[in-house]
Amino acid sequence: GQQVMQIPQYQHVQEGEDFTTYCNSSTTLSNIQWYKQRPGGHPVFLIQLVKSGEVKKQKRLTFQFGEAKKNSSLHITATQTTDVGTYFCAGYLDNAGGTSYGKLTFGQGTILTVHP
Amino acid sequence: KAGVTQTPRYLIKTRGQQVTLSCSPISGHRSVSWYQQTPGQGLQFLFEYFSETQRNKGNFPGRFSGRQFSNSRSEMNVSTLELGDSALYLCASSWVSRTYEQYFGPGTRLTVT
Repeated sequence: GQQVMQIPQYQHVQEGEDFTTYCNSSTTLSNIQWYKQRPGGHPVFLIQLVKSGEVKKQKRLTFQFGEAKKNSSLHITATQTTDVGTYFCAGYLDNAGGTSYGKLTFGQGTILTVHP
Repeated sequence: KAGVTQTPRYLIKTRGQQVTLSCSPISGHRSVSWYQQTPGQGLQFLFEYFSETQRNKGNFPGRFSGRQFSNSRSEMNVSTLELGDSALYLCASSWVSRTYEQYFGPGTRLTVT
């Protein structure tokens, strides 16, 4: 069925290294949202991208939405121990006739660990 | 502004029982969605309510149901609990439209024995 795939599942980095997680959808997304969940916590909204090719930055975080609106990425520059957590992408499938329309579909998440 | 609250935070039930979880959205938010989070399946969409109407439903059996009240508070019910229902149940609210960001509550950790 229609779904959102996210890779890698796990990423271990040394503090100061960069980190990237990728999100791919089998169908066009009307928008893409990114969330961060700290260990033992709940998902917290980071950002939303709507336009094809959109790029947004939040300090060391850079978010991109692909031209075809089927993929997205989150890049963290110079990771810090505070970046530890699971990063989820989530999208609304842009398919008015499909069964998944209107349902926020989450990727499996990328678990980031940062070694000091 | 207070965040999304969920009660209870932890719950232990036995197979065959039923359970009701409660969610109070952020004041002014009219959309409430429910998700099931498990290590194996990740975050799975259960259903979304807006103005007391279910707008969308995920691929879960009919044992999972929900409702929303006129004050936007929502409840979800799981009947005839199975071991596989053990999970973190997250409620999220948003302003009006489904395209707005979701604000998640702390979740209810349900353990079925």
